[in-house]
Amino acid sequence: RKEVEQDPGPFNVPEGATVAFNCTYSNSASQSFFWYRQDCRKEPKLLMSVYSSGNEDGRFTAQLNRASQYISLLIRDSKLSDSATYLCVVNMKGFKTIFGAGTRLFVKA
Amino acid sequence: DVKVTQSSRYLVKRTGEKVFLECVQDMDHENMFWYRQDPGLGLRLIYFSYDVKMKEKGDIPEGYSVSREKKERFSLILESASTNQTSMYLCASNLMRGGGATDTQYFGPGTRLTVL
Repeated sequence: RKEVEQDPGPFNVPEGATVAFNCTYSNSASQSFFWYRQDCRKEPKLLMSVYSSGNEDGRFTAQLNRASQYISLLIRDSKLSDSATYLCVVNMKGFKTIFGAGTRLFVKA
Repeated sequence: DVKVTQSSRYLVKRTGEKVFLECVQDMDHENMFWYRQDPGLGLRLIYFSYDVKMKEKGDIPEGYSVSREKKERFSLILESASTNQTSMYLCASNLMRGGGATDTQYFGPGTRLTVL
């Protein structure tokens, strides 16, 4: 079993749709959690941190459920520019960072 | 803004060649990382360094070595390139002093290496 698992997609959604991604992690000692965005042939960039209390940034909402060991990302009112791969990232103590393989999103006009 | 640069965007090498990939960050970050990214596998850590001249193996260090002679520079070396090392190589850095888990990583643009 992978330490961080994501549905690879692709998710194909029309503009304006709401889309949700989930990610599960296996190590209960995981300490911090993030969503990164990676555009085609580009490097990953931090989208947002994820907290148990939830974290909202404009159209994006991230949530952490420690009891069930999953992380979610909700994108409301999808834009064409949201098309990318979204990486779920888990930090352990002591420099260990685990990246999910990513979920691909295509937003269509 | 944090800037992480890598020496080449695209590189083509032959089997058996020695390959150097260089990474430079300008934010005085303590920690630097080398990953490779392959379809369906995500990013896998090759090596990281938490201080000058210090290095630690990641999950897939075989066939690679690293060098960190200066704080801002972290080099990845393929001693004898093989076709299964064809991949996207990404360098990253972060501040994360003392092994704390909260710092995000900043990535360079990547080097797409093809070994023929």
